[in-house]
Amino acid sequence: NAGVTQTPKFRILKIGQSMTLQCTQDMNHNYMYWYRQDPGMGLKLIYYSVGAGITDKGEVPNGYNVSRSTTEDFPLRLELAAPSQTSVYFCASSYWPRQGGTPLHFGNGTRLTVT
Amino acid sequence: ELKVEQNPLFLSMQEGKNYTIYCNYSTTSDRLYWYRQDPGKSLESLFVLLSNGAVKQEGRLMASLDTKARLSTLHITAAVHDLSATYFCAVNSGGGADGLTFGKGTHLIIQP
Repeated sequence: NAGVTQTPKFRILKIGQSMTLQCTQDMNHNYMYWYRQDPGMGLKLIYYSVGAGITDKGEVPNGYNVSRSTTEDFPLRLELAAPSQTSVYFCASSYWPRQGGTPLHFGNGTRLTVT
Repeated sequence: ELKVEQNPLFLSMQEGKNYTIYCNYSTTSDRLYWYRQDPGKSLESLFVLLSNGAVKQEGRLMASLDTKARLSTLHITAAVHDLSATYFCAVNSGGGADGLTFGKGTHLIIQP
C-alpha cells in the first residue's frame, strides 16, 4: 500500500517558469489537500478538494492552481514561479467523514527552490 | 480566524528528563492532532484527541486535551535521543475543507 505519493522529490525552477507537482493516493480517500511548509513554520493550506471535480482555495492560494479529475490524483500547478514559492510542498488525503478523528495522511513532500 | 500556538518552539533537553510541550488554540474545535516530523521527512501522526479530558499514551509520549482551556499538552517522560524531532499540533479547522491549522512546531533536541 503506497499511501500518498508525490513527485518529484526535489526541483529547482527559474523565476517565471511553470511546473506541476504530482500527487496520487491509493486509499480511495475523497478529501485531498496541498500544504506548503516554510522553514520554522507550520503548514499552510494552499488548496483542497472534497472529491473529483471539486476544488477550493485554502489560506494561501495565490500563484497556484489545482485540478481533480479523478479520486486518486490532485496535481498542483505553479504558474510564473517566484522566489516566494520556495518551500516544501506536502500533499495529504483523508476520508470524510472523519469519524473517530482519523488523521490526514501525508506524502513525503516536494522540495522546491525558485531562483 | 483559528490560531494555533505552540511553546516552546525550540527545546534542548537531556536524556532521562521529563518535559511538556504546550499547544493553545483560539477557537472551539472538536479534534486536535499531534504529528511528528523528522528532518527532511513527512509528517507522522502520533495522536488524535477527540474530547475534553482525552488522554492518549504511546511509549514515552502522552498527550492530553482540555477543550475548555483550549489547551493540549504533549508530555515526554524520560526522554531518549530517538525522540528528537519536530512536533506539531494541529486543530481541525472545520468548514468545507475540514483541513487542519498547524502550530509552528516544537523543534526538540535530546542530547545524551
